[in-house]
Formats: sequence, structure tokens, C-alpha cells
Amino acid sequence: DAKTTQPPSMDCAEGRAANLPCNHSTISGNEYVYWYRQIHSQGPQYIIHGLKNNETNEMASLIITEDRKSSTLILPHATLRDTAVYYCIVRVPYNQGGKLIFGQGTELSVKP
Amino acid sequence: GAVVSQHPSWVICKSGTSVKIECRSLDFQATTMFWYRQFPKQSLMLMATSNEGSKATYEQGVEKDKFLINHASLTLSTLTVTSAHPEDSSFYICSANSGASTDTQYFGPGTRLTVL
Repeated sequence: DAKTTQPPSMDCAEGRAANLPCNHSTISGNEYVYWYRQIHSQGPQYIIHGLKNNETNEMASLIITEDRKSSTLILPHATLRDTAVYYCIVRVPYNQGGKLIFGQGTELSVKP
Repeated sequence: GAVVSQHPSWVICKSGTSVKIECRSLDFQATTMFWYRQFPKQSLMLMATSNEGSKATYEQGVEKDKFLINHASLTLSTLTVTSAHPEDSSFYICSANSGASTDTQYFGPGTRLTVL
């Protein structure tokens, strides 16, 4: 599975958009980009995933570059409850042997 | 999203005893479940993958005789930490995969184990 690189920490003002970058320059053609977040002392929460196209759901938007070597998770209006560690993970589908391998993630602090 | 529960949410035990942690998928059948461990200030580390009705596959460096995994049904997997020692104190988290085309893993809330 390809590895990812994320900044260790970021700050964001409450109500503003939070843009979390992720580099995955060695991603393979059949690997998906997944985003999870973990609030302190809880299990990770699924946010969104994508392969090539940009994706949007009720929680966030995922923008994947055309060459798929990087992506950005966008929380459009960050709230204090979005303070968490955000993990960007790339993996092949499970039925092809893929596993979720967590890196260090980005610790996002949303400030009033 | 799908719901995964764990029991207990926390447990304190004496050194040398065994502790069983349950992981249940509440609203879907989980063909595959995963067990992770997380030490303070660190990321999650995958310990093993369990498929219903078959033996678990352990990651390199994880002792299969110490961390016994059973996945007897499509909604329940258990992790037993045998002869626990203080260094086994950690946050244990399970996740489940329905095997459907969406292929998303959903995580339980975690179990905090403290070994005295």
C-alpha cells in the first residue's frame, strides 16, 4: 500500500473552511484515497473516499489532483467539534488485499 | 454509516490475567473484522485481520498466542489478551468490513485496557 505524507498539525478558525492536504505520490492505479478522523479517545470515524473524481458528502469534500499524487480534504465550515486527528490513507480494495494502514495524520485544531 | 460496538469500553485487570474484548457489527454482517492497538500519542497499529469462520491473519511482530482472535459469527469477533502485563495496556479498537462493493471499514469506539 502506498504511503502518505500529511502536515503534523494545522489550525483553523471556527466557521472558516479547513483544507487538509495529503501527498501520495506513489499511489497505484487501483488504490483509493480514504479519509478518517479520530477525536480524542474515540474510534476513527469514516469521512469520505475517492478514486479519481472529486467527491462530496454531508461531512466534507475530497479533491484529488488529476495525476492522483495528492489530495485535499475540505471541511467547508469548521466547528469546534471538528478538532481531531485526520488521517489520509491509500489502499487497494479489500477484496484485492488492501488494508487500512494509519500514518501519523494531521492534528487539526479549530479555534474560536 | 454502519455501527460497530465494543465491550467493555474500559477494563482494569491484574497482571497475569486474561481479558476478552468483544466487537460487534450492529446493523450489518461483517465478513471481515480488524483489530488495532493504539498507544498514547501514537497512531493506530493494525494487529490482525479476522475472517468469519477462519483463522485470523496476524501482522508481523504480533504474537498470535498472546492475542487470541475468534470470529465465530458474521456479527461478532473477540480479542483475548492472554496473561496480560502492564506493557499490554493500550487502547484496542476494532473495525468491520461488510465486503460489499462500497468496501468501507467502520470502527468501534475502542476499549481502554489498563493492566496493573
